[in-house]
Amino acid sequence: DGGITQSPKYLFRKEGQNVTLSCEQNLNHDAMYWYRQDPGQGLRLIYYSQIVNDFQKGDIAEGYSVSREKKESFPLTVTSAQKNPTAFYLCASSIEGGTEAFFGQGTRLTVV
Amino acid sequence: ILNVEQSPQSLHVQEGDSTNFTCSFPSSNFYALHWYRWETAKSPEALFVMTLNGDEKKKGRISATLNTKEGYSYLYIKGSQPEDSATYLCAFIGGSQGNLIFGKGTKLSVKP
Repeated sequence: DGGITQSPKYLFRKEGQNVTLSCEQNLNHDAMYWYRQDPGQGLRLIYYSQIVNDFQKGDIAEGYSVSREKKESFPLTVTSAQKNPTAFYLCASSIEGGTEAFFGQGTRLTVV
Repeated sequence: ILNVEQSPQSLHVQEGDSTNFTCSFPSSNFYALHWYRWETAKSPEALFVMTLNGDEKKKGRISATLNTKEGYSYLYIKGSQPEDSATYLCAFIGGSQGNLIFGKGTKLSVKP
């Protein structure tokens, strides 16, 4: 089955530790995105990538880093510089920028 | 930061009622407008991808209209059913960058 997979579903980390969230897709999509959701807020764009080996900052990129070494993978690292990392993170992909997006199930990160 | 506004924030209706929501977006540099449905414990799923001013799209009891000149889109649900309960998100895509900018969503609850 084609789809987009995020792992793990729940993640706990101690404050000050970097953590990497996985996002894999087998849909052969060029574009991939990372969003963050906080209570009462909409989905806010962290980073996006239109093509392999290229990515751009979204509205709230500070404290995050990404890589796009392979078409099917777009991991997100939440660094210790991110002041409020506890949130729900959603990954998405689309054939190309602007087309229908397909979403993963999300990762809920809790930093204690 | 581009602003995408959705109203109302939440809506409670009885089964059988018809309802509608609004999405407001920048009227300049328009590329596309998407509507997504996000049910609890699931991933967001695309309802409509709209690109042309005056577009009207329909899927069963759900329909949407688009006015790019004034920067708004309406989503209509005819004869709401409990299974329509979800958060409805709109996403604006501006220019050639292709990244989706989401509104905060409208949370619909349909009581049997």
